[in-house]
Order: sequence, then structure tokens, then C-alpha cells
Amino acid sequence: AQTVTQSQPEMSVQEAETVTLSCTYDTSESDYYLFWYKQPPSRQMILVIRQEAYKQQNATENRFSVNFQKAAKSFSLKISDSQLGDAAMYFCAYQNTGNQFYFGTGTSLTVIP
Amino acid sequence: EAGVTQSPTHLIKTRGQQATLRCSPISGHTSVYWYQQALGLGLQFLLWYDEGEERNRGNFPPRFSGRQFPNYSSELNVNALELEDSALYLCASSSDTYRVWNTEAFFGQGTRLTVV
Repeated sequence: AQTVTQSQPEMSVQEAETVTLSCTYDTSESDYYLFWYKQPPSRQMILVIRQEAYKQQNATENRFSVNFQKAAKSFSLKISDSQLGDAAMYFCAYQNTGNQFYFGTGTSLTVIP
Repeated sequence: EAGVTQSPTHLIKTRGQQATLRCSPISGHTSVYWYQQALGLGLQFLLWYDEGEERNRGNFPPRFSGRQFPNYSSELNVNALELEDSALYLCASSSDTYRVWNTEAFFGQGTRLTVV
């Protein structure tokens, strides 16, 4: 069974600084997708970034980028130039070829002004 | 385009009662997922429906059940409510499983269930 582990329940970052959120996963499949979702206090889950497992190039979306290490089954999220609006719960997610999603327990990010 | 909608937003029930939560997916989406988000436990997978069929269920007792209607909307039922069922219940939808796989899940804003 696939599992997703986020070992950092809480993280904090100074505004304008860079922070990295960790995620590891366990799978025997070779094809899959990985996602980072953000859940602000409004509770609305928003997709931040996605990565296809067959692509070696790390995905980037403006200030958000990932470090995808397939062999190590690691998928970390880097947030550059952190802003107050980045404060939220961040969930790492794995999606298998059967369209089944698996989520980690989340990392609560605090941005310090 | 309307997103995933869930109703009600908040629900307060007494222990032992039944709760019914509803979810309308994005138009064109055939897959609906239900998750329980209890404090400190992240997203726990409950149920997955696609094309009206239950595709998978998480490690929850049988009193958690649901169904998907022909219009792809879905209902989650929780019978014999217990205090620990208090949580945020999130519904997500995604595109057709067999034609467009590996698409992102779009989430509703959730139903906050409180059992007293």
C-alpha cells in the first residue's frame, strides 16, 4: 500500500526567506503523480504544484518548486520569498495509476512578519 | 464554472444519531472522494466513487457509508455517531478515471461535523 509521510508537523519561516517542507512516500509503482496542496484557514484546499513521476525535471510554479528524488522517494516543496499569505497547512499527496489519492498528515507553516 | 460544493457547511448531531453529508462535483467530473480531517490526523481516506460505483474504501467501520448518484453527486452517511466522528469532512472530485488519469483533485470547503 502506498503511504505518504510528512515528518514536520509544524514549520516557521521569516517573511521573504526560503523554507523547505519535506515529504516521503512509499510505493512499488513506477508511474504516479505527486502533489502539494495548501489549506489556508478558509479550509479550501488549493493545488500548489504537481510532479509527474516519469519527468526528471523538477516542477516549478513561480515561488514554489519541488525537489523530486525518485530513487529516494522524496518530494520536498521549497517556498522562496515567503509571504504572509503562504501561511497554511500544506499536504503532500500521491496519486497512483488507479486515480487513488493518498495524503500525508500535513505541515503547518507559519510566516513570521 | 462552479467548484465542488458541499452541504451543509456545519452540522451538529447528538451521539447515536445519523448524519448525511452531500457533495456536488465539478461538472464533468465522475470521481468523488471523501476524506475525514480530524485535528492532528491529516486527511484520512474514507471512500472513493467513480461512475456510480464504490472503487475503494479506507479503514473505517461499516457505519460510514455512501453512494454516488447518476448525476455524479455523492452522499456520505455516518450512522450511530460517536464523539470521535467530530471532524471536517472533505469531498474532492476529479475527471474520468479511465480516460484522463492522474488529474488533480479539486476540493470542496468541507462540512464541519460536531457530535455532542
